[in-house]
Order: sequence, then structure tokens, then C-alpha cells
Amino acid sequence: EPEVTQTPSHQVTQMGQEVILRCVPISNHLYFYWYRQILGQKVEFLVSFYNNEISEKSEIFDDQFSVERPDGSNFTLKIRSTKLEDSAMYFCASQRTATNEKLFFGSGTQLSVL
Amino acid sequence: DQQVKQNSPSLSVQEGRISILNCDYTNSMFDYFLWYKKYPAEGPTFLISISSIKDKNEDGRFTVFLNKSAKHLSLHIVPSQPGDSAVYFCAAKSGNTGKLIFGQGTTLQVKP
Repeated sequence: EPEVTQTPSHQVTQMGQEVILRCVPISNHLYFYWYRQILGQKVEFLVSFYNNEISEKSEIFDDQFSVERPDGSNFTLKIRSTKLEDSAMYFCASQRTATNEKLFFGSGTQLSVL
Repeated sequence: DQQVKQNSPSLSVQEGRISILNCDYTNSMFDYFLWYKKYPAEGPTFLISISSIKDKNEDGRFTVFLNKSAKHLSLHIVPSQPGDSAVYFCAAKSGNTGKLIFGQGTTLQVKP
């Protein structure tokens, strides 16, 4: 079965530094998402992306966050100035269409902000 | 935000028996529900889903039941196998969106 690929699997950074999390969605998918899970908490929606623009974002997704699809295959999440509370597992997901189709999730990037 | 709740953090079941995982929701606008399974160090994997116009959906050993009046859904796994041991997440959405609202998850342990 096709997979969503995320790199790196682990990222350690200092508070205030910028990080970029990378994802390669499934090739014929059109909708892309970032979710995160803080340790011990729920998986939370961050942002959805379609047709090269953000279609929906949560209140977590403030000005420190941005997403980009720089080429035909990668989908990135950038955090400009990381905070301690950004430490979480970040999951990328993709979906072929928006109509009640399942989301395919990647294995996640564990971000640790020190 | 407690729109989707899984009140049992864990469940332990003997191999071969039925596992029943429960999920409650509060938002009556939800029209589609999904169950995901997650192993450690992996992302959530889709298991089964159900539209709000149905009350049951079955796929092999997995059946999801939806009770709209009670705002409750459940996942039945019959028979349970040790490989089913994982964290199970209930998720819900409304409208034409991929924004899923997840429950806290239930850790299922199936003992041989």
C-alpha cells in the first residue's frame, strides 16, 4: 500500500530556533494535513492544504507556523521560532479527495524543543 | 475541547474473545466517524469508518456501530488477536473536510 513518508523521525532543537518538518504525501493525493500529538494528549488538527493554499487551520496554527508545497512531491511544516510547548509528535497526512475518504498518516516526526 | 471522548483509557481481552471499544461525541453536526489504530513509533492507520446515515458497518473482524440518538459509537473486534494490541482512536468530522476530531485513545491489550 502507498505510504506517506516523513523526515526526520526525530528532531531536537533549541528554543527559538527554526525547524522544518518534511513530508512526502501519496502521489495522487490532493489534500494534505498536519496534525500533532503532545505526549499524553489527543491527536490535534493543525492545518489543511489544498490547491497550494491553506484551506483550514486551527487556533494552534499561529503566525509561527507555515506550510508549503515547494515542488510536486514535498509538503513541509515550518516553525519559525520554536517554543518548549511545541514539543510533540507531528503527523503529516494526505487524502485523495475531501469527500469522506480516509486520511493516510505518516509515521511522524518527534520534535523535542530544549 | 471534549467533542469526542473515549472514556476507557485501556482494555484487556483474552485472545479469541470480543473486544468492544467505545466512543461518545457531543457535536450533532458530525456526519462521519472513523476508527484508527496506532502502534508505537507509527502513525495512525485507518481501520473502518461509518457515515451518520448508517448504523452499522462491517469489515472482516471489525464492526462499527453508530447510535445517533445516544451520540455513541463502538468498535467490535471478533475474534481478538494478539496483533490487535495497539492504541485505538475514534475520530469524527463534519462536512467536506479532512479535519478530524480525535478521542483520547484506548489502549487494547489482547492476551494470548
